Amino acid sequence: GQSLEQPSEVTAVEGAIVQINCTYQTSGFYGLSWYQQHDGGAPTFLSYNGLDGLEETGRFSSFLSRSDSYGYLLLQELQMKDSASYFCAVRRQAGTALIFGKGTTLSVSS
Amino acid sequence: NAGVTQTPKFRVLKTGQSMTLLCAQDMNHEYMYWYRQDPGMGLRLIHYSVGEGTTAKGEVPDGYNVSRLKKQNFLLGLESAAPSQTSVYFCASSYSRRLAGATAYEQYFGPGTRLTVT
Repeated sequence: GQSLEQPSEVTAVEGAIVQINCTYQTSGFYGLSWYQQHDGGAPTFLSYNGLDGLEETGRFSSFLSRSDSYGYLLLQELQMKDSASYFCAVRRQAGTALIFGKGTTLSVSS
Repeated sequence: NAGVTQTPKFRVLKTGQSMTLLCAQDMNHEYMYWYRQDPGMGLRLIHYSVGEGTTAKGEVPDGYNVSRLKKQNFLLGLESAAPSQTSVYFCASSYSRRLAGATAYEQYFGPGTRLTVT
């Protein structure tokens, strides 16, 4: 079957660094994406890893190791507005559809 | 650009009623998707389309039908609503582009439709 595992909740304080891990088991793999969703809002795209290594976009970075079926999202200099749910998603076949993890709720406190 | 829009934003149905959710995008994207989101379950793909006139089943297609008669529109139908279909429904669209050394299909989501079936 297909499965993506990520922690259900993470808490941190403003200014800290947090890492959200994602492990996947899928029948095919064509890249790992991360999406952010604020409460009551729509998911928005954060980052994509098609190849092994680290991708950086401002305060956010994402890492992929295909041999370990593992990736993570790293959020630095946390701000209150980063409180949201974060989803990893895998494109598991040579098409466009994504399979999403169940999401990690990040709570940032002052 | 309006991006991805969904109609209606909220709806309450009685068991057995039917309805159609409309998704429209003005970005000329080739690919469109319907997801449902339930608490603790993440986003689950219902149906998707890789182009006008084509549709395919996702993870949880039972009880739903879709149509993509025009490139910009993707309709989701519930023929006979059931309480288990109470959920938030998101539509998304995407296009292919090179990103991080590979081909990515970054998805753009609509604001969602909150459906309650009583």
